[in-house]
Amino acid sequence: DAGITQSPRHKVTETGTPVTLRCHQTENHRYMYWYRQDPGHGLRLIHYSYGVKDTDKGEVSDGYSVSRSKTEDFLLTLESATSSQTSVYFCAISEPGLNTDTRYFGPGTRLTVL
Amino acid sequence: RKEVEQDPGPFNVPEGATVAFNCTYSNSASQSFFWYRQDCRKEPKLLMSVYSSGNEDGRFTAQLNRASQYISLLIRDSKLSDSATYLCVVPRGNFGNEKLTFGTGTRLTIIP
Repeated sequence: DAGITQSPRHKVTETGTPVTLRCHQTENHRYMYWYRQDPGHGLRLIHYSYGVKDTDKGEVSDGYSVSRSKTEDFLLTLESATSSQTSVYFCAISEPGLNTDTRYFGPGTRLTVL
Repeated sequence: RKEVEQDPGPFNVPEGATVAFNCTYSNSASQSFFWYRQDCRKEPKLLMSVYSSGNEDGRFTAQLNRASQYISLLIRDSKLSDSATYLCVVPRGNFGNEKLTFGTGTRLTIIP
């Protein structure tokens, strides 16, 4: 158990509204990631963070922003939600070192944009 | 060739049988490979890592063929609890790169 929680776990919202998803970890991991998972696609990286206030874009970052003001929290914001952002969002962590490529995932947030 | 491509499945296999999945990858520089297991409506969880020619963990064996650029996952004496989707994961760059490519997964159902 990597001590990762996500909130909310489920959310239904309307097109055009802002949405913020929260990822919280309790074990002081440096690297944190946001992925989305859609049918017919593998998990795709949205944004990631390699430290407090240090973030970078992933492959599907358009329409999303992130913030990391504390080691334990990584926030994903959909600035103006669209139906194409209906998805399951997973937060993940990893640790530098031998297994830097290993990801430990949170339980996921299921987001529906109407 | 796609970055990562998996047998789409679904594989419906009787309990106790042996089943194998393949995963092909395009990045010849990748040094490490991973199999994740994902249960329905749950998060992916690491099953096995492969850093050299292969890895074995109980009933599970992962093999790497660098020349043909594929990895395989073999499950022996399959159990009902093995029913899940299996994701193949390949780093995009050299060892230590933080960006990974996830396959779309192979769904396995073990039939009693």
